[in-house]
Parts: sequence; structure tokens; C-alpha cells
Amino acid sequence: GAVVSQHPSRVICKSGTSVKIECRSLDFQATTMFWYRQFPKQSLMLMATSNEGSKATYEQGVEKDKFLINHASLTLSTLTVTSAHPEDSSFYICSAPDRGRIGPYNEQFFGPGTRLTVL
Amino acid sequence: QKEVEQNSGPLSVPEGAIASLNCTYSDRGSQSFFWYRQYSGKSPELIMFIYSNGDKEDGRFTAQLNKASQYVSLLIRDSQPSDSATYLCAVNRRDDKIIFGKGTRLHILP
Repeated sequence: GAVVSQHPSRVICKSGTSVKIECRSLDFQATTMFWYRQFPKQSLMLMATSNEGSKATYEQGVEKDKFLINHASLTLSTLTVTSAHPEDSSFYICSAPDRGRIGPYNEQFFGPGTRLTVL
Repeated sequence: QKEVEQNSGPLSVPEGAIASLNCTYSDRGSQSFFWYRQYSGKSPELIMFIYSNGDKEDGRFTAQLNKASQYVSLLIRDSQPSDSATYLCAVNRRDDKIIFGKGTRLHILP
């Protein structure tokens, strides 16, 4: 299947700092990528849709000024958590559909996730 | 009503038995449905997808879809301890977004 990578896999930061998480599609082009957040023992919550060449669209309740998304190329989307606080500590996962594949429509390929801990 | 609902479990099933996982969804316009398996601390991996009403089999897994009842299920035959994980039901909404249920924790008893 298609491969999506994330970097870093783990990050620990102090409260008030900003953290950037990268999501890359390694063997396909992704005009759209999705960002999810998962708290312990809870499901994946869709935060935003990252669109190459245009603004991201955010789900209701997600602060766009706090979670900055940039999709500058067909293989890279970045999520920046600005002024991070302990309540932002979570597992952040990106996904991308490979629309060039012959196969299930909109099958999502997930990155391995980034564990963010804000002290 | 939540968009995708699952029983959180845990569901305990003896090794070798059939595990049955259920999911309901609210958006009648949803077109495709997915089952993901997630181990603790890892990202989800796709197990099955289904688009048409009826059953779809892949090895030990069978997905069942009933659009009239807005119901999706996953059957795991000959359950193995390695099947112990959280199973997430996901639905592709009409706006092209994938929405996940909270997941069902499955525990296979050796």
C-alpha cells in the first residue's frame, strides 16, 4: 500500500512553545491530507483537512489560529501547534488518500502518528 | 446522535471463536465504510472496506453492510490472541471526510 510518514514520532516541549509536525506521502501525491487527534482511550477526532495550494478547512471547535496547517507541496503537509499547553498533549495522526490508485475510493493511508507531550 | 456509534466494550471472546463487532452510522448519504484495527500507541491499519450491501469476505474477516438499517459489522472467525486490539469503524461522509467511531476493544482469551 501507499506509505505516509510523520516526523517527529515523539516530541516533548515546554508550555508556551510551538511544535511543528510533518506529514509526507512517500510514494504518491496527496492533494488532500487529513489531521486527526486522539486522546487516550478515545477515537480519532478529525481536526482539519489540508488542501494543497489553498487554505485548510477546520472542523467545528478546532482553533485555526492555534493549529496552523500548511500544505505547500503535493507530498508534504505540516501541522504547527502554537503556544502549546498541557491539554494539547495527544497523539496526532495524519492520513492521505491516494487518488491515483486503482482501488477503493478514498481509502486512507495513515502516518505512524506523533506523540506530543507538553510539560 | 453521534455520527458513527460503536459499543466500546471490552468484548471478550475465547480463542478460536467468532468475534462480532457492530457499528451504526447516521448519514444516509455515506458511500463507503471501513474497519480499522488499532493497537495501543499505534496508528490505525485498514482491515476491510465495503461499499455494497451484503457481505464481503477476506480471509478470516467478513464485513457486512446494511444501508437501509445504516449498520455495518465485522466478523472475525477463528479468533487469535493477536486479534486483541481496538477496532474502529469509519464512514466516508458525503463531504469526502472519514469519520471514526470510538472503537470497540476486543480481547481474545487464550
